[in-house]
Amino acid sequence: KQEVTQIPAALSVPEGENLVLNCSFTDSAIYNLQWFRQDPGKGLTSLLLIQSSQREQTSGRLNASLDKSSGRSTLYIAASQPGDSATYLCAVRLATGANSKLTFGKGITLSVRP
Amino acid sequence: GAVVSQHPSRVICKSGTSVKIECRSLDFQATTMFWYRQFPKQSLMLMATSNEGSKATYEQGVEKDKFLINHASLTLSTLTVTSAHPEDSSFYICSAVNARSGTGELFFGEGSRLTVL
Repeated sequence: KQEVTQIPAALSVPEGENLVLNCSFTDSAIYNLQWFRQDPGKGLTSLLLIQSSQREQTSGRLNASLDKSSGRSTLYIAASQPGDSATYLCAVRLATGANSKLTFGKGITLSVRP
Repeated sequence: GAVVSQHPSRVICKSGTSVKIECRSLDFQATTMFWYRQFPKQSLMLMATSNEGSKATYEQGVEKDKFLINHASLTLSTLTVTSAHPEDSSFYICSAVNARSGTGELFFGEGSRLTVL
């Protein structure tokens, strides 16, 4: 059974700091990995999608890496801003295909202090 | 990116009534949609996988007669909470996979907050 872990559960940093959010998973046979952002009381916004054959993806100040063999992914946020405050979740999809279900981590709640 | 619309965003109902939540993919076709439930400060719990034109696949512990799912078209799936009770109060979120993209990227609706009195 795939398990996804995100530690720590919460993180508080001053504005401008570069930071790394970690995600680990137990079964390396994944189809893809996706990072999401969730604001309080809202749905999830897709940030980055990494296919199993890829090692990283970048979008603006965000960079996500994937190391399948070690079961790890990181989300790097450059020059953090108060608007980045949210809960960040990673999720992996099993290698059974594009329509297989995602397994989510519990998320990391980030607070960026002005 | 692709857009998934969920309606209603908030609903308050009396115990014993049924509530229907709609999930629409606005600019793509979704052969598969997923329904999740989220408790406060918790991660998402998958309830069921909804496949267009066939019966939904429910996760262990989820009552299929309680949470009716219908995926009648490639752009619409509905979740009906039947005979709702206060313990059904929760945040329900749907998601959809773009059938044509082949990437498996998942897009989420804005969620529906259900409060059962």
